[in-house]
Amino acid sequence: GENVEQHPSTLSVQEGDSAVIKCTYSDSASNYFPWYKQELGKGPQLIIDIRSNVGEKKDQRIAVTLNKTAKHFSLHITETQPEDSAVYFCAASKNPGAGSYQLTFGKGTKLSVIP
Amino acid sequence: GAVVSQHPSRVICKSGTSVKIECRSLDFQATTMFWYRQFPKKSLMLMATSNEGSKATYEQGVEKDKFLINHASLTLSTLTVTSAHPEDSSFYICSAKDRVGTDTQYFGPGTRLTVL
Repeated sequence: GENVEQHPSTLSVQEGDSAVIKCTYSDSASNYFPWYKQELGKGPQLIIDIRSNVGEKKDQRIAVTLNKTAKHFSLHITETQPEDSAVYFCAASKNPGAGSYQLTFGKGTKLSVIP
Repeated sequence: GAVVSQHPSRVICKSGTSVKIECRSLDFQATTMFWYRQFPKKSLMLMATSNEGSKATYEQGVEKDKFLINHASLTLSTLTVTSAHPEDSSFYICSAKDRVGTDTQYFGPGTRLTVL
């Protein structure tokens, strides 16, 4: 089955700096890669996702890049703000024709933005 | 759009009782819903996949007779923890996939279960 590795497990940045979280996946059939933000005591919130037919996607201060050959994808947050502090999870899934819509999650990265 | 609700948000029960958790897609129809369990400071662990009108598919190691799942409509799935024990205390989260055919999952806010 799919295995998703996520690094780092914790990340502290100064307000205004950029944060980068990296994930690798093992199943070359995976073609959908969402990123979720989870605040304490709440459910995960989808913040951005990318499909395997594109290499990069951007939404304001958040961007995701995908390298299919190397089987890794990264989340980039620019101009970080204290409200960006949370746990971020990457995930991977593949088409139902090749399996199911099940998401395989990384172990999470706790991001702390220091004012 | 794409809002998923869960009820209750918190529940405390006595050991041996059963607890039902509801997951609703509020503004879309979901043919598939997923139930996850999350331990403190850990990632999400998929428990089962709930398909509308059919039996749920449970992940290896998850007892189907203990965690009863019913997906009776395109907007509602329920998880019942039967004969709850303290080790069942956890954060339970559901997600729903839009029936239109995308693979995007939207998560509910979670239910904190505490078994005394």
